[in-house]
Amino acid sequence: DIVMTQSPLSLPVTPGEPASISCRSSQSLRHNNGYHYLDWYVQKPGQSPQLLIYLTSTRASGVPDRFSGSGSGTEFTLKISRVEAEDVGVYYCMQALQPPRTFGQGTKVEVK
Amino acid sequence: QVQLQESGPGLVKPSETLSLTCTVSGGSISRFVWSWVRQSPGMGLEWIGYIDYSGSTKYNPSVRGRVIISLDTPENQFSLRLSSVTTADTAVYYCARHSADYYGPFDVWGHGTTVTVSS
Repeated sequence: DIVMTQSPLSLPVTPGEPASISCRSSQSLRHNNGYHYLDWYVQKPGQSPQLLIYLTSTRASGVPDRFSGSGSGTEFTLKISRVEAEDVGVYYCMQALQPPRTFGQGTKVEVK
Repeated sequence: QVQLQESGPGLVKPSETLSLTCTVSGGSISRFVWSWVRQSPGMGLEWIGYIDYSGSTKYNPSVRGRVIISLDTPENQFSLRLSSVTTADTAVYYCARHSADYYGPFDVWGHGTTVTVSS
């Protein structure tokens, strides 16, 4: 199985300030087609996870442009340019390259 | 807009079989791939398996041998059966849709249903 490791696991942030979450995979997530199959999800309190970003850097429908994803190989990053109060939740990376799909441990984003 | 709704017993006895159904509304179950994902405090988010529109399945080795995912196209539903459950199977179970093919992200999720394994 591909192991996904996130850091930090807890991230207190000040509204208006940027935030960054790192995700590392135990093997490259690059497919032969050139795409990296790395997705980001957020689980807001009391809700099911929801898709934020797929294929490393493509925002899902309706996701604000303050969210961005980047990376390649085994190193990936989710950035929030200016955190808002509604961004609190647990953020997960997930690899979709090969079954079984595996998730990171989650990063809890809290607003100071 | 497509919506997913999980249903099934919230309490299952150890060694028995957990059975859940996901009902798809607002769209057809055909043409897409469908997964079950569970979340427990100890294991975080764990993908269980998927089924595609033709009925082909792929399962996580962690549950292989105990799991069956099936499709009921006329009812626009798919189901999860997990046998020989233990307390480790206690979790919130979600059904989810792959946005495109097998590699597609989970773009639609159900609200989740809590299953407790206890005697």
